[in-house]
Amino acid sequence: ELKVEQNPLFLSMQEGKNYTIYCNYSTTSDRLYWYRQDPGKSLESLFVLLSNGAVKQEGRLMASLDTKARLSTLHITAAVHDLSATYFCAVDMDSNYQLIWGAGTKLIIKP
Amino acid sequence: KAGVTQTPRYLIKTRGQQVTLSCSPISGHRSVSWYQQTPGQGLQFLFEYFSETQRNKGNFPGRFSGRQFSNSRSEMNVSTLELGDSALYLCASSLAVGGEETQYFGPGTRLLVL
Repeated sequence: ELKVEQNPLFLSMQEGKNYTIYCNYSTTSDRLYWYRQDPGKSLESLFVLLSNGAVKQEGRLMASLDTKARLSTLHITAAVHDLSATYFCAVDMDSNYQLIWGAGTKLIIKP
Repeated sequence: KAGVTQTPRYLIKTRGQQVTLSCSPISGHRSVSWYQQTPGQGLQFLFEYFSETQRNKGNFPGRFSGRQFSNSRSEMNVSTLELGDSALYLCASSLAVGGEETQYFGPGTRLLVL
């Protein structure tokens, strides 16, 4: 059974700091996603990572994938308040559009 | 390009009733997936449809069912509602061509069962 674990589950940080969210999964996967969810809102796609060593960056967010370690990271650089949200990683094990989700990391960035 | 739309946005039902939720995917998208989101269980996959066929189903009881129409619009139905069915139900659509495509989510339907 595929399991996806995120840590930390809650993160409070100051603006301007850097931090990393980790996503571990238990079996091989074809595709890993990062999504953002604001309170009371739906999910916004951030990144799709396919291959080992894949790195993608958008603004202050950078995601990477290590398929050998079954680990993805979401790195936040010089955090700003607008990045406050819950971040989810999700894994599509067999490319069958059945996503298995992590529990989410609630990120609060204080001015 | 219009995004994924879901109707209704909010629903209040009582135990034992049934409910039908609707999802219209992004134009051209043929895959529609449904997810349940609750504070306790998080996000859980319900089922996925492609070209009117259910290709995958999550671990939910048979009270949860769905279908997809020829225009790719999808509906999910929950019969004999239970209190635990209270949740945000999200649908997502994709082109289903593989590669780096993603799933695009609708705003969700928030269901409250009393």
